[in-house]
Amino acid sequence: DGGITQSPKYLFRKEGQNVTLSCEQNLNHDAMYWYRQDPGQGLRLIYYSQIVNDFQKGDIAEGYSVSREKKESFPLTVTSAQKNPTAFYLCASSSQQGITDTQYFGPGTRLTVL
Amino acid sequence: AQSVAQPEDQVNVAEGNPLTVKCTYSVSGNPYLFWYVQYPNRGLQFLLKYITGDNLVKGSYGFEAEFNKSQTSFHLKKPSALVSDSALYFCAVRDRNNFNKFYFGSGTKLNVKP
Repeated sequence: DGGITQSPKYLFRKEGQNVTLSCEQNLNHDAMYWYRQDPGQGLRLIYYSQIVNDFQKGDIAEGYSVSREKKESFPLTVTSAQKNPTAFYLCASSSQQGITDTQYFGPGTRLTVL
Repeated sequence: AQSVAQPEDQVNVAEGNPLTVKCTYSVSGNPYLFWYVQYPNRGLQFLLKYITGDNLVKGSYGFEAEFNKSQTSFHLKKPSALVSDSALYFCAVRDRNNFNKFYFGSGTKLNVKP
């Protein structure tokens, strides 16, 4: 899983709660990403950030929020507005050196709504 | 729009036999294509990529992929499958217009039976 850590590994949320998923990288990468993975649907992009203090919505940003105050960190908050948050969440990062660079993924956080 | 498709949800092969996991793409211009593998409850691991040059790309763990421009395909192959190759495989394409975005296929579950 390279130099990307995600915590916690498992997270349980009650209805109406906001929860924050942590993502940290020590790869000195500029770009960071959050994906949601559901069975049979592959990965869907929630948010991405190219640089500190800047981020862009992905394909399914509703009900989620992010911040990028440090290069190494890109936390994701799942708000109560997200109606179906149970999923596996993956954080990734990539270098901005060139389009040929791959993404590196963290080990993931499994979120379950009780 | 950039996209990839993985037409098979699941592929079953016997150990020692060759394996192929299919991927087709739809992009404007030359594609930047990637293969990743995911083991249960883990993040994605990079296997190989095609950027330009030789149509046969070699990657990690004995995997290779063949780029075919006329058929817009990028199939993952291995001459002799191992039980430990059993995992979920994702094909991805990097957006040439916004290279911070990657588009993933829905994934193919590979089952290698002893």
